[in-house]
Amino acid sequence: DGGITQSPKYLFRKEGQNVTLSCEQNLNHDAMYWYRQDPGQGLRLIYYSQIVNDFQKGDIAEGYSVSREKKESFPLTVTSAQKNPTAFYLCASSMTGDFNQPQHFGDGTRLSIL
Amino acid sequence: SQELEQSPQSLIVQEGKNLTINCTSSKTLYGLYWYKQKYGEGLIFLMMLQKGGEEKSHEKITAKLDEKKQQSSLHITASQPSHAGIYLCGADIRNTGFQKLVFGTGTRLLVSP
Repeated sequence: DGGITQSPKYLFRKEGQNVTLSCEQNLNHDAMYWYRQDPGQGLRLIYYSQIVNDFQKGDIAEGYSVSREKKESFPLTVTSAQKNPTAFYLCASSMTGDFNQPQHFGDGTRLSIL
Repeated sequence: SQELEQSPQSLIVQEGKNLTINCTSSKTLYGLYWYKQKYGEGLIFLMMLQKGGEEKSHEKITAKLDEKKQQSSLHITASQPSHAGIYLCGADIRNTGFQKLVFGTGTRLLVSP
């Protein structure tokens, strides 16, 4: 079945450490996205990529980095510069970046600070 | 302040009852998506609206975008336990034409038997 796989489902980080969240899709979608979800704040866009080897900052990119070396993969690194990393992280993809192509979401990674 | 306001924040309805969730913005909604999320999981696409006055239905769920394109509503008829979850609206409020969506804070729906 085609879909988006996020791993791990739960992740714990010590303060000062970088951690990388994995997102893989086999939908042959060009565009991919990372969101952060906090209680009471909805989803906020961290980074997005409309095509391989290209990505753009979203609304809350500070303290995060991404790469898009392969069409199917869009890993997110939460760096030590992100002061409040505890959140639920969602990855999504769409066929293109055009508005009329709905996003398909993975099941998320919950990141907690030890 | 939130650019997309959803109301109510939470809702408990008896099975079989109808309900409406609203998504409101002070800015033009150039296009809007409704998604459903089960707690701790990803979002599932429900419907997309782009034109003022547009209305779409799927099974027992109807979504509308008002003529002024500043409010959308999601109506569920004869609710069932399977409708329980968090409903989120996401919209293009910057007229980018792309999938740079701003999301509401969500409405948590519980359906009691």
